[in-house]
Amino acid sequence: DVKVTQSSRYLVKRTGEKVFLECVQDMDHENMFWYRQDPGLGLRLIYFSYDVKMKEKGDIPEGYSVSREKKERFSLILESASTNQTSMYLCASSKTENTEAFFGQGTRLTVV
Amino acid sequence: EDQVTQSPEALRLQEGESSSLNCSYTVSGLRGLFWYRQDPGKGPEFLFTLYSAGEEKEKERLKATLTKKESFLHITAPKPEDSATYLCAVRRGTALIFGKGTTLSVSS
Repeated sequence: DVKVTQSSRYLVKRTGEKVFLECVQDMDHENMFWYRQDPGLGLRLIYFSYDVKMKEKGDIPEGYSVSREKKERFSLILESASTNQTSMYLCASSKTENTEAFFGQGTRLTVV
Repeated sequence: EDQVTQSPEALRLQEGESSSLNCSYTVSGLRGLFWYRQDPGKGPEFLFTLYSAGEEKEKERLKATLTKKESFLHITAPKPEDSATYLCAVRRGTALIFGKGTTLSVSS
């Protein structure tokens, strides 16, 4: 089975901190994604990557950056955390651009 | 603009009471419609992919169908363990864009 692992289930950070969310997949997938999920807004795409060192902005990239130095690892970076970035963050990966995506268990981030 | 709309937002059923969830979409050139199940506090779990109108897929009490404008997730004789949020998504380039989901509650 495909496994997508996010480094933390719960995080509490202070406003202004630099925050790293890590995601690792073990199935040699080409594509990796970061979404955030908020009540009433659904899942929204932040960034995705289709290859090592390649990245594309999603629908809500402001305040975020990403890094993909190795194929299996995709990091989401909050340069200066703000309270409006309190959310559930979900990482996903897919083998190709035509196949389903598999999700990690999510990281619930609270910024205080 | 590519868009996915799910209805209803919430659905309450009695155990054994069959029903359907709707996912309507607008996308230029459908390259797959995806259904996921999400339990509270967890990541979405993949259920089905449908690629062309008329296609159907089944898994236990769930059956997904696809037309040119919408997809249905039919739930036959649901059980309490089917309670979850059901999400549909379409592909936009490499990524998936999601509807806001239907939260299903099944009571015994």
